Amino acid sequence: TQLLEQSPQFLSIQEGENLTVYCNSSSVFSSLQWYRQEPGEGPVLLVTVVTGGEVKKLKRLTFQFGDARKDSSLHITAAQPGDTGLYLCAGAGIIRDDKIIFGKGTRLHILP
Amino acid sequence: ETGVTQSPTHLIKTRGQQVTLRCSSQSGHNTVSWYQQALGQGPQFIFQYYREEENGRGNFPPRFSGLQFPNYSSELNVNALELDDSALYLCASSPREGRTLGAFFGQGTRLTVV
Repeated sequence: TQLLEQSPQFLSIQEGENLTVYCNSSSVFSSLQWYRQEPGEGPVLLVTVVTGGEVKKLKRLTFQFGDARKDSSLHITAAQPGDTGLYLCAGAGIIRDDKIIFGKGTRLHILP
Repeated sequence: ETGVTQSPTHLIKTRGQQVTLRCSSQSGHNTVSWYQQALGQGPQFIFQYYREEENGRGNFPPRFSGLQFPNYSSELNVNALELDDSALYLCASSPREGRTLGAFFGQGTRLTVV
């Protein structure tokens, strides 16, 4: 069973601060995805990382895939209130890479 | 190009009843997955359909069943509803090569069982 552990579960910080969210597993994934979900909405795909060690940037968001393809991190620079939401990491398995398994998410609240 | 749409958006059912939720996949996507998301949790994989056949199942009992139609739209059926079935039900579509593109979700159906 492939499990994804996200930390922290909750994070509340002031606008302008930096933060990092982690996604860890003992399993190897063929790819890892990050989603953001607003209350009452479905998750929205932010990025997919595929290659071990890969780094992708989306404006103030930086995503990294671990060298061993077991973990990932999301770093937000100069957080803004609009970044508030639930951030979910999800992995596609090595054997059945079309099925995506989610972590429990990190609920982020940026205070103005 | 239309996105993933789900219906209804909200539903209230009584324990023991049956429910059918519907999903239209994004244009060009032939794979549909269903997820259950309890409050404060991440989505839990229920099952996936590809070319009208079930293509993998999570840890859900047989009273959760589904269908995929030739146009790739899908239904999720839940029989003998229990209070714990109350959740946001999400449908996600992806091309067969979902590994590199990720999944695209609908807005979900909020099911409340009373």
